[in-house]
Amino acid sequence: GENVEQHPSTLSVQEGDSAVIKCTYSDSASNYFPWYKQELGKGPQLIIDIRSNVGEKKDQRIAVTLNKTAKHFSLHITETQPEDSAVYFCAARLSSGSARQLTFGSGTQLTVLP
Amino acid sequence: DAMVIQNPRYQVTQFGKPVTLSCSQTLNHNVMYWYQQKSSQAPKLLFHYYDKDFNNEADTPDNFQSRRPNTSFCFLDIRSPGLGDAAMYLCATSRERLETQYFGPGTRLLVL
Repeated sequence: GENVEQHPSTLSVQEGDSAVIKCTYSDSASNYFPWYKQELGKGPQLIIDIRSNVGEKKDQRIAVTLNKTAKHFSLHITETQPEDSAVYFCAARLSSGSARQLTFGSGTQLTVLP
Repeated sequence: DAMVIQNPRYQVTQFGKPVTLSCSQTLNHNVMYWYQQKSSQAPKLLFHYYDKDFNNEADTPDNFQSRRPNTSFCFLDIRSPGLGDAAMYLCATSRERLETQYFGPGTRLLVL
């Protein structure tokens, strides 16, 4: 089955700086890669996603890049703000077969210091 | 305008006492999922419904059951909760299996 590794597990940045979180996946048949933000005591919220036919996607201060050859994808947050502090999960999903469910990474606790 | 609603948000039960968690959605999505999330861990899929078709994950304990009486509602039943079942339980929905999943706020279960 699919395996997703996420790094780092914790990340502290100064307000205004950029943050980068990286994930690698094992199955080259995966074709959908969402990122979720989870604040304390709340459910995960989708913040951006990318499909394997696209190399990069941006939404305001958030961007995701995908390198299919290397089987890794990254989340980039620019001009970080204290409200960006949360746990971020990457995930991957295979395109076919019975294994259609999301495989999550282990999460990154991002702290933005004011 | 919450789209995936979970009730209650916090649930306390006693060891061995059955408990039911509720999820409802206003999105008219075909697929509803239940995840278990323990502290500092990623969500773990327990099972999902595609319409009325129930799909259990291979490693989900028999202690966990689910019901989906209609499109909007899905229930998670824990028949005999153990201390190890204390966790956040997350409901999610997607329009189709290969589409984006939207999560509810979760129910935090405490087992005494």
